[in-house]
Amino acid sequence: AQKITQTQPGMFVQEKEAVTLDCTYDTSDPSYGLFWYKQPSSGEMIFLIYQGSYDQQNATEGRYSLNFQKARKSANLVISASQLGDSAMYFCAMRGAGRRALTFGSGTRLQVQP
Amino acid sequence: NAGVTQTPKFQVLKTGQSMTLQCAQDMNHEYMSWYRQDPGMGLRLIHYSVGAGITDQGEVPNGYNVSRSTTEDFPLRLLSAAPSQTSVYFCASSYFRTGTSSYEQYFGPGTRLTVT
Repeated sequence: AQKITQTQPGMFVQEKEAVTLDCTYDTSDPSYGLFWYKQPSSGEMIFLIYQGSYDQQNATEGRYSLNFQKARKSANLVISASQLGDSAMYFCAMRGAGRRALTFGSGTRLQVQP
Repeated sequence: NAGVTQTPKFQVLKTGQSMTLQCAQDMNHEYMSWYRQDPGMGLRLIHYSVGAGITDQGEVPNGYNVSRSTTEDFPLRLLSAAPSQTSVYFCASSYFRTGTSSYEQYFGPGTRLTVT
């Protein structure tokens, strides 16, 4: 079984500052992938970043980076230079080796303050 | 560039009614899945498919049926709607990028269903 835990129900950050959203996971699969999605108030799910379990380097996509610590089973999302448009729900998710679908965490609501 | 489309966007049902939520993708992806999102929660997997003719249950399958007769379409059927099925439903399609560890999953815009 797989499990994703996001322990921060809500976070505040000042505009232009960096913020880290926490995600820990549990799986017995030797191969897996970790995802972050953004869900703004309009409701759509927007893919942000992906990290494979065998990838040697942490994934980066523009202002988003994934701080992957395999031994600690954590996959934290770092958003640099926060913008007002970053205010949204953020979900961490995992895909197991079976290539089926994703298991999601409960999400973190990020509010960026001017 | 349609990606994943879902219809309808909104639906109100009475308890006991049945209906089908439509999902289509034009990216020739093997894998498709249905999730539900209840207020304040993450997405939970209902059913998924790894190819035409192949489906399997996810975390919360009760009360739902699926079929996959083509690569493009993956409809979700509510057999007898209940208030507990009031939720937002997301369809997704996904694939592995051959030769890499990269896996991409795209979501449709969602269907907001209310059962009274």
